[in-house]
This record gives sequence, structure tokens and C-alpha cells, in this order.
Amino acid sequence: GESVGLHLPTLSVQEGDNSIINCAYSNSASDYFIWYKQESGKGPQFIIDIRSNMDKRQGQRVTVLLNKTVKHLSLQIAATQPGDSAVYFCAENGGSQGNLIFGKGTKLSVKP
Amino acid sequence: EAGVTQSPTHLIKTRGQQVTLRCSPISGHTSVYWYQQALGLGLQFLLWYDEGEERNRGNFPPRFSGRQFPNYSSELNVNALELEDSALYLCASSLVWDNEQFFGPGTRLTVL
Repeated sequence: GESVGLHLPTLSVQEGDNSIINCAYSNSASDYFIWYKQESGKGPQFIIDIRSNMDKRQGQRVTVLLNKTVKHLSLQIAATQPGDSAVYFCAENGGSQGNLIFGKGTKLSVKP
Repeated sequence: EAGVTQSPTHLIKTRGQQVTLRCSPISGHTSVYWYQQALGLGLQFLLWYDEGEERNRGNFPPRFSGRQFPNYSSELNVNALELEDSALYLCASSLVWDNEQFFGPGTRLTVL
């Protein structure tokens, strides 16, 4: 069935290190992908998105990589800071259904 | 610019009761989405409204319903509440469908 999954449910990194959060998707029709950050007690916050006609997109301290061959998405956070501690979700559009299909999330903990 | 707003922030109901949750999208956004996030789980798609019409529906029973008003605000109604309906209900809006969705803070529903 359609699903978006994450390889690592938890990730602990040292402040200043780079973080990589991975995500696998199963719907070949998906052509739009988003990464969200969710802090405790808050709604998900948009981080960065990418469409299937690209394989890399950069934002401020974040980079998203898309490998359509193996249906893999990753979020790279440079110089991770304590404020980056949160749960990160990847989401796909399932081939333009309108709604997004979310993975279960990866909890990122940043050690000072 | 104001973000997506939701009301109420918290709600406690008993089993069998009915509840109405409200969402105001970002000004200019015509699409509104509802998601359910049970404790410790990812986001499950409930409903998508665009231009006042229901465009897509997730795998939830008919007691979950909603509507979108001419000003693009939306309501989510849940009838005959069950204990497992306890969750964070998130509303998101987008300028056009298949574009980034911006989330509100959510309504925390507890069913006793």
C-alpha cells in the first residue's frame, strides 16, 4: 500500500555536527515531497520541499536529496543546533491526491 | 501575516458525545486539510476541502465529517466519540492544492 517510512526512529547528534534523516517512500506516482519539523505541543512546521524533477534542493542550513531510483528522501541539517531538536516528518503527495502521506517521524536530539 | 488558526486548543469530551473543531486558513489559501495525530504516531489524513467542496477523504468512518465555508474556514465534526478518537487534530492550508501545506497549532481532543 502507499506508505512513507523512516529508517531511523531516533537520532542523537552532538551540537555542531551535521544530521542526516532518511525516509523511504513506496508510491512511484509521488512527485512532491516535503519535510516538516514538529516541536512538542506544536503543529508541524514546513522546512523544505522538492519536486520530482529535481534531485537536490538547498535551504538555509538544510538540504533535501531525492533519489527516485530507490525511492529515497533525505534531509541534511548542517551545524545542528539545540533548537533543531524535534520530530521530523517526511511526506509525499501520493501522485497529486491533494492530501499528504506522512511517515512516522524521526526524533532528533541534539546534545550540547 | 497570520498563520493557520484553530479553536479550541484543548477539549475534553466523554464517549458518545459530539465535537466540532474549527480552522481558519492563511488569508488567500483556498485548500484546507484535516489530519489526525494520535499520541506517538504520524499524521493520518482525514479530509481535504477546496473551494467549498470535499475533494478527498481518508480512511475514517462517516462519523468524521466537515465542511468549508465561503470564507474558506472549515469545521471538522466528529459524532459518537470513541476513546480512540483522542488525538491532536491538525488543520493545514495551502494556496493551491499540491503545494506546501502550512499547519495550525492543532486541537488536543481527549475522550474519556
